[in-house]
Amino acid sequence: GQQLNQSPQSMFIQEGEDVSMNCTSSSIFNTWLWYKQDPGEGPVLLIALYKAGELTSNGRLTAQFGITRKDSFLNISASIPSDVGIYFCAGQKNNAGNMLTFGGGTRLMVKP
Amino acid sequence: DAGVTQSPTHLIKTRGQHVTLRCSPISGHKSVSWYQQVLGQGPQFIFQYYEKEERGRGNFPDRFSARQFPNYSSELNVNALLLGDSALYLCASSSGGGGGGTQYFGPGTRLLVL
Repeated sequence: GQQLNQSPQSMFIQEGEDVSMNCTSSSIFNTWLWYKQDPGEGPVLLIALYKAGELTSNGRLTAQFGITRKDSFLNISASIPSDVGIYFCAGQKNNAGNMLTFGGGTRLMVKP
Repeated sequence: DAGVTQSPTHLIKTRGQHVTLRCSPISGHKSVSWYQQVLGQGPQFIFQYYEKEERGRGNFPDRFSARQFPNYSSELNVNALLLGDSALYLCASSSGGGGGGTQYFGPGTRLLVL
């Protein structure tokens, strides 16, 4: 099935560093979402973006909805050990009900 | 308030068997969606139900079926299990069925097919 192209696949960084990950698609999405998934749990919504060009923050997290509506990025500033996990982007289209199309995930590891 | 709950948490089946997974949405939510997450990949959409009607179906074979009950809980059924059906099955609930609403995921049911 279709998945969004998410990069990088994994990152190993030092505590305190900033992190950037992005997601691209060949088709337009009307909503972009970023989720975090910890081992043994379901994805938890971090940020939702509803408008092209929108820049939204949630604490140390900042995400942007690309102007072309085909991409989005997520930044995490001043990373801490509890940021460890897998981050997924997801796109939603207006004519597709609640269906979410997910990226392959970015596995983030933080070294204290 | 309780979040999305799923049962069972883990399940082991053998090829050819049938399995039923259950999901209870957040109170007041009328839409339930099912996703399959194979190890190392993002979730893949299987079904959406809203007000007891199927509103969307992903690219999965007819061995996969689902239904939603009057209390908005849902079951996912998979017949004639294959090894490749081994995955984490996630349920997500939202208040609306037409998109745009926040979807909340349950912890998932981990299915292993031997």
